[in-house]
Amino acid sequence: GQNIDQPTEMTATEGAIVQINCTYQTSGFNGLFWYQQHAGEAPTFLSYNVLDGLEEKGRFSSFLSRSKGYSYLLLKELQMKDSASYLCAVRGSNYQLIWGAGTKLIIKP
Amino acid sequence: ETGVTQTPRHLVMGMTNKKSLKCEQHLGHNAMYWYKQSAKKPLELMFVYSLEERVENNSVPSRFSPECPNSSHLFLHLHTLQPEDSALYLCASSQGRGLGNTIYFGEGSWLTVV
Repeated sequence: GQNIDQPTEMTATEGAIVQINCTYQTSGFNGLFWYQQHAGEAPTFLSYNVLDGLEEKGRFSSFLSRSKGYSYLLLKELQMKDSASYLCAVRGSNYQLIWGAGTKLIIKP
Repeated sequence: ETGVTQTPRHLVMGMTNKKSLKCEQHLGHNAMYWYKQSAKKPLELMFVYSLEERVENNSVPSRFSPECPNSSHLFLHLHTLQPEDSALYLCASSQGRGLGNTIYFGEGSWLTVV
């Protein structure tokens, strides 16, 4: 079967760095997405990786290793507004997105 | 403002009611989606429309009926729902469905079935 695994919840301190991991087993791979979803709001696009390596966008970076079926989202200089759920999704062989259940990130002062 | 607008934002309905959720996208996209989001579960894809034609229907019960009159509008008609259908229903759109195409979501319609 196809599966995306990510931790249910993580806690970090304002100003620190946090890494949210995502592992996947899918039939085929056509890219991996990270979305951010604040409570009661729409998921918003953060990043897309299709080749191995690190993609950096300001305070956020996303890494992909296709051979390991592994990605992480790295958030630096954490701010209180980063408290949200982070969703990992993989586009499989039929181009349909397979979603993880999301990681709830709690930022403490 | 995400470019995808959903109404109503909140809906409470009885099991014998008929209601509809509406979605409108202002992004010029040609694919639209309905997703169901339940607490602590992955997003569940319900329906996909591409160029106004339904291309995916993921074993959704017939009490959910989609309608896509044009590439900017998508409806989800609801009738004789069950309490387990209570969830957040998300509409989304994208330009195409292939490699790298990003999906943009609306803010969702919270549905409670009583």
